[in-house]
Amino acid sequence: GAVVSQHPSRVICKSGTSVKIECRSLDFQATTMFWYRQFPKKSLMLMATSNEGSKATYEQGVEKDKFLINHASLTLSTLTVTSAHPEDSSFYICSASGSGKRSPLHFGNGTRLTVT
Amino acid sequence: AQSVTQLDSQVPVFEEAPVELRCNYSSSVSVYLFWYVQYPNQGLQLLLKYLSGSTLVESINGFEAEFNKSQTSFHLRKPSVHISDTAEYFCAVSPNAGGTSYGKLTFGQGTILTVHP
Repeated sequence: GAVVSQHPSRVICKSGTSVKIECRSLDFQATTMFWYRQFPKKSLMLMATSNEGSKATYEQGVEKDKFLINHASLTLSTLTVTSAHPEDSSFYICSASGSGKRSPLHFGNGTRLTVT
Repeated sequence: AQSVTQLDSQVPVFEEAPVELRCNYSSSVSVYLFWYVQYPNQGLQLLLKYLSGSTLVESINGFEAEFNKSQTSFHLRKPSVHISDTAEYFCAVSPNAGGTSYGKLTFGQGTILTVHP
């Protein structure tokens, strides 16, 4: 079946540095990609929606200058956490869907970010 | 806006026993409903979904969920669980508006199902 690859699975970085997380659709064209954040013992929260070739749409309360999202191709979206702080430590998950109103949604395996 | 409440954060159960994971939602518009499963160290996988039609939906591994509009619920059930069903289960909704709404999911807090031998 369709697969979404997310890389890296784990990353540790120092406070103040930037980290890039990649989300790739391996066998389908991902017209739309979504980025979620999962806090410990809490639910996943949608951060932003990105459509290929256009600017991402961020949910209320998500800092677009801090969480840079790029969806430059139909198979790749990236999330860059800029000037990371310990409170950015979290589990980030991407998902992707193809074209069509009822295209199924496929999730990546997530990235555990730890900022020290 | 939508919200989803999973009433039980953890559900321990013995193998071959029945289980029900509860999910209630609130929304000002009609919604699609989903159950996702996350096995240890893996990503989310769609377990089943309700889009329209029959309110009882089933998965290939024996789970079923029933959409109850009057009670705004979408509880997940399985008559006999296996050890391999141990995972975290998430209930989710998205607005029934077509387009990219499938991905604009609002998730519940998750229920950890632990099946004991």
